[in-house]
Amino acid sequence: DAKTTQPTSMDCAEGRAANLPCNHSTISGNEYVYWYRQIHSQGPQYIIHGLKNNETNEMASLIITEDRKSSTLILPHATLRDTAVYYCIVRVGDDKIIFGKGTRLHILP
Amino acid sequence: NAGVMQNPRHLVRRRGQEARLRCSPMKGHSHVYWYRQLPEEGLKFMVYLQKENIIDESGMPKERFSAEFPKEGPSILRIQQVVRGDSAAYFCASSGRTAAYEQYFGPGTRLTVT
Repeated sequence: DAKTTQPTSMDCAEGRAANLPCNHSTISGNEYVYWYRQIHSQGPQYIIHGLKNNETNEMASLIITEDRKSSTLILPHATLRDTAVYYCIVRVGDDKIIFGKGTRLHILP
Repeated sequence: NAGVMQNPRHLVRRRGQEARLRCSPMKGHSHVYWYRQLPEEGLKFMVYLQKENIIDESGMPKERFSAEFPKEGPSILRIQQVVRGDSAAYFCASSGRTAAYEQYFGPGTRLTVT
């Protein structure tokens, strides 16, 4: 079973920031938080990962709470092409990815 | 820098035939993972390989399925005597030896069994 809990679906207006929450209350000290997305049955796309600190790259920002029990993925200026299923995953080392149901994000024009 | 490559992208097989799916990892990556996505379902782990070794095959069906990642060449997922229930998208991912071992996925092979 996936170790994370995410809302089933969310809507966001185009051009606004999309904030996707994830709970991982049983995370271990050496487990990373990863975010992937899958756009309409394409291959999953890696977005970002973090361990303790907040992270930012060209796609998104990842905010991890101090106790590491939850995190938020932020897409700063959502576009229609960001419509996808977003997966929050916790994992250690080279272990397999266990995908949950993710959050279906709809970007509204 | 080329990403993970999979071929063929689409494969049609009749029941009882063999399906061979190939995956070329990203340059410099030595870890390969295979996942399957049945229609309208989530992604499920099948097998994790490093060069010439199967590390974790806990998600692989016990019969008809096999995987290899030889010293030279792509990783191969082989399905013998395919049945209609094998129709799915098969995704390969690769990772390098970084601290987080982040995986990068290929575009997938869509197998249809008729």
